[in-house]
Amino acid sequence: GENVEQHPSTLSVQEGDSAVIKCTYSDSASNYFPWYKQELGKRPQLIIDIRSNVGEKKDQRIAVTLNKTAKHFSLHITETQPEDSAVYFCAARRAGGTSYGKLTFGQGTILTVHP
Amino acid sequence: DAGVTQSPTHLIKTRGQQVTLRCSPKSGHDTVSWYQQALGQGPQFIFQYYEEEERQRGNFPDRFSGHQYPNYSSELNVNALLLGDSALYLCASSFRGAYEQYFGPGTRLTVT
Repeated sequence: GENVEQHPSTLSVQEGDSAVIKCTYSDSASNYFPWYKQELGKRPQLIIDIRSNVGEKKDQRIAVTLNKTAKHFSLHITETQPEDSAVYFCAARRAGGTSYGKLTFGQGTILTVHP
Repeated sequence: DAGVTQSPTHLIKTRGQQVTLRCSPKSGHDTVSWYQQALGQGPQFIFQYYEEEERQRGNFPDRFSGHQYPNYSSELNVNALLLGDSALYLCASSFRGAYEQYFGPGTRLTVT
């Protein structure tokens, strides 16, 4: 089955710096890669996603890049703010077939932004 | 527009008991997926319901079962609870297997 590895497990940055979180996936048939932000005690919130026909997607201070050949994708947060502090999860979903709709998550990255 | 809702918020059960968790999908969504999130880990897929049928299942034992109603709401049932079943149970809704899945606030289950 699909396996998603996420690094680093913890990331500490100063306010205003950039943060990068990386994920690799095992199933070459995966075609959808969302990122979720989960604050303490709250639900995972979809913050950005990318599909396999796109190499990069941006939304204000966040961006995601995808390298299908290498089977890895990354989340980039620029000009970090203390409110960006949370646990970030990457996920992957296989296209069609019996795996339709199932998300496989990485282990999570605890991001701390120091004022 | 109501988002995904889950009940109850918290639940404490004893080993061997049974539990039922409930989920109402976001308005306009017809597919519900259930995930188990152990402390410090990413969510693990349990199963997905669409058109009142279980469409996919993750690596969970038969003690975990579910149901979807005609109004698209869903239940997760866990029988013969084990200490290891203690976790946050999340449901996520989507529209006919569309890419985006939106999560509810979860039910925190503690098994003692």
